[in-house]
Amino acid sequence: DVKVTQSSRYLVKRTGEKVFLECVQDMDHENMFWYRQDPGLGLRLIYFSYDVKMKEKGDIPEGYSVSREKKERFSLILESASTNQTSMYLCASRDSSTDTQYFGPGTRLTVL
Amino acid sequence: TQLLEQSPQFLSIQEGENLTVYCNSSSVFSSLQWYRQEPGEGPVLLVTVVTGGEVKKLKRLTFQFGDARKDSSLHITAAQPGDTGLYLCAGAPTSGTYKYIFGTGTRLKVLA
Repeated sequence: DVKVTQSSRYLVKRTGEKVFLECVQDMDHENMFWYRQDPGLGLRLIYFSYDVKMKEKGDIPEGYSVSREKKERFSLILESASTNQTSMYLCASRDSSTDTQYFGPGTRLTVL
Repeated sequence: TQLLEQSPQFLSIQEGENLTVYCNSSSVFSSLQWYRQEPGEGPVLLVTVVTGGEVKKLKRLTFQFGDARKDSSLHITAAQPGDTGLYLCAGAPTSGTYKYIFGTGTRLKVLA
């Protein structure tokens, strides 16, 4: 079974803090994604990576950056957390042969 | 920007009833996927439809892709409490990028 793990299920940070969200997949997938999920808005793409050290902005990249130094790990960075970044963050890894995205369990981030 | 609108946003029904969830856009997609997300978990892929007019069945769930590949529907026959969850549609852009567009979501509750 494909497994996507995220470093934390719940996280509470203060405004202005630097926040790192880690995602690891164990299936050697090239494509990985970071989404945020807010009620009534569905999932919105923040960044995605189609290979190591390759990244592309999604629909809402402002206030975020990413890092993909190794194939299995895709990190989302909030340089200076703000209250409007309080959300559920979902990481996904894509199997290109079946066009299937496998999601992690999510990190619920609260910024106070 | 491509958008996917889902309706209804919320649905609460009794066990045994039938229901249909709609996913609509003004844009054409190369394929469309349906996911189900349970509380505390990431979305899980149910099905992918690729051809306009295509119908796929998964036990009591029937998925249809519109002829023009702009819309889709999910029909559940004789709903069960285990069907409870958030249903999300996701469209793959015709441009060939990996920027999947997710719908706004339909939260279904099936009462025993």
